[in-house]
Amino acid sequence: GAGVSQTPSNKVTEKGKYVELRCDPISGHTALYWYRQSLGQGPEFLIYFQGTGAADDSGLPNDRFFAVRPEGSVSTLKIQRTERGDSAVYLCASSLGLGGEQYFGPGTRLTVT
Amino acid sequence: TQLLEQSPQFLSIQEGENLTVYCNSSSVFSSLQWYRQEPGEGPVLLVTVVTGGEVKKLKRLTFQFGDARKDSSLHITAAQPGDTGLYLCAGVYNQGGKLIFGQGTELSVKP
Repeated sequence: GAGVSQTPSNKVTEKGKYVELRCDPISGHTALYWYRQSLGQGPEFLIYFQGTGAADDSGLPNDRFFAVRPEGSVSTLKIQRTERGDSAVYLCASSLGLGGEQYFGPGTRLTVT
Repeated sequence: TQLLEQSPQFLSIQEGENLTVYCNSSSVFSSLQWYRQEPGEGPVLLVTVVTGGEVKKLKRLTFQFGDARKDSSLHITAAQPGDTGLYLCAGVYNQGGKLIFGQGTELSVKP
């Protein structure tokens, strides 16, 4: 079956602009996770959802970052007033339930110029 | 802040050699996972270790969880070029599944 998909695969934006990154989880997976991976580093946790609600958003770096999952399936990570330091690969993962094996998407590479 | 330290960060070896990657933390995790990541892709789970002292084998890969559940190692026997990639350890923080990753070990196996 289809895995986790993320769009766009690459996004280049100018400093100060707003961006949205989309994640389509595996069908039936109730838990969804966002991570950020900078060059040469391991992924860093941002937020996870169980259903429609954000169960833990402790990894969001500041209030420029926000994520939603209105219908408990697709999720969108929103970044306002982008900064060059936001440049990274944003990874999404889903699991059948909380604590289950996480299946990662290929990521969205965000470059802020 | 929980921190997982991996070593070495980079490893370049010849086909047929053995290698060990280490993952250490000052914190206790409920379980620890090892992932492999290739360029342009997300990490893929290799194994989960749960019990202190646990050893798991996956073909030529052997994973060990420390007795105190703070450290882990990955040993590869007779490495092959297909083993090339980024190896990541990740501590499972709580029942919700939040993962805390190490910085990764970039492995290159030359034929």
